[in-house]
Amino acid sequence: EEQLVESGGALVQPGGSLRLSCAASGFTFSNYWMTWVRQVPGKGLEWVANIKQVGSEKYYVDSVEGRFTVSRDNAKDSLYLQMNSLRAEDTAVYYCARILSGRPPNNWFDLWGQGTLVTVSS
Amino acid sequence: DIQMTQSPSSLSASVGDRVTITCRASQSISSSLNWYQQKPGKAPNLLIYAASILQSGVPSRFSGSGSGAEFTLTISSLQPEDLATYYCQQSYTTPSRLTFGGGTKVEI
Repeated sequence: EEQLVESGGALVQPGGSLRLSCAASGFTFSNYWMTWVRQVPGKGLEWVANIKQVGSEKYYVDSVEGRFTVSRDNAKDSLYLQMNSLRAEDTAVYYCARILSGRPPNNWFDLWGQGTLVTVSS
Repeated sequence: DIQMTQSPSSLSASVGDRVTITCRASQSISSSLNWYQQKPGKAPNLLIYAASILQSGVPSRFSGSGSGAEFTLTISSLQPEDLATYYCQQSYTTPSRLTFGGGTKVEI
């Protein structure tokens, strides 16, 4: 069964750091672009970051550029999100998802994890 | 960034009703539009990709249409299990600046 499982969410103080992990199983992780999407509780979805199969290309939403770093370890079938200088507005459930691509520029998020909650508060 | 506007933001309908949700982009995005369903307390789930292609395993009562800047998601006969919030998402600007609509909450 194809699966993504996030971990690492926690309560952290403003200005602090946190590293989220996403463990993939049931598919060849290294074949896919991956993404992080977040959702403030009770609000909508916001794309956060994308990373290419070998990690050579990374893209971020403006609000996290310079503070968050997406990375991956294909040998461990794992995706990561290093979050530094955290702010209250980063409080959200963070989802990892797999990206499937069709004819450019069509792509879509076809497999999602269950999410992990990050709370930034003093 | 391309803004995605969904309407209505919420709706209430009865079992068996035909339900239509609209998603408008701030510029043309060709057919680079996806629809997701999020049930309460769960992760989003892909319903439709590339504007009109039904994801494997999704019931045929769901359909998508549109191109350019206006898109619709239709549920032909609403079922109790369709209680959820529905989001559109554009991939035209991939691999960056991807954006979602604000969501449409469907109540039964």
